[in-house]
Amino acid sequence: AQTVTQSQPEMSVQEAETVTLSCTYDTSESDYYLFWYKQPPSRQMILVIRQEAYKQQNATENRFSVNFQKAAKSFSLKISDSQLGDAAMYFCAYRSEIQAGTALIFGKGTTLSVSS
Amino acid sequence: GAVVSQHPSRVICKSGTSVKIECRSLDFQATTMFWYRQFPKQSLMLMATSNEGSKATYEQGVEKDKFLINHASLTLSTLTVTSAHPEDSSFYICSARDWRGLDTQYFGPGTRLTVL
Repeated sequence: AQTVTQSQPEMSVQEAETVTLSCTYDTSESDYYLFWYKQPPSRQMILVIRQEAYKQQNATENRFSVNFQKAAKSFSLKISDSQLGDAAMYFCAYRSEIQAGTALIFGKGTTLSVSS
Repeated sequence: GAVVSQHPSRVICKSGTSVKIECRSLDFQATTMFWYRQFPKQSLMLMATSNEGSKATYEQGVEKDKFLINHASLTLSTLTVTSAHPEDSSFYICSARDWRGLDTQYFGPGTRLTVL
């Protein structure tokens, strides 16, 4: 069974600084997707970024980028130029590509606080 | 991105009564929807996978008779908590899989259930 591990329950960053959230996963599959979701205090889950395992290039979305290391099964999220609105709980998630229709498997989450 | 709605956003009920939560995909058809439960400051726990026109698949430990799921159309799935008890109080989130394009899961805003 696949597992997702986020080893940082809480992180903090100053406005305009950069922060990296860690995520590791375990799978025997070669084809899969990885995601980072953000859950602000409103509790609405928001997709931040996604990465297809077959792509070597790291995904980037504006200030958000990932460092995808397939061999190491590592998928970290880097937030550049942090803003107050980035404060939220961040979840790393895995989805199988082979087993169609399967749900996301989430890590336990990292609570990010941003100070001015 | 696509929009998923949930209704109601908050519900308070008496112990022993049943509560129905609706999840709708507003601008796409979703053959697969998922129901999650989330406790404060914790991750999302998958309860069941709902497939249109067929029985839901429940995760281990989730009582089928207590959490009834119906996915009668391509845009609507419902979760009914039957004979609710205080321990069922939680935040329930649905998500719908949009198979178009990048095949992404979109989340509803969640329903906070309080059982007195």
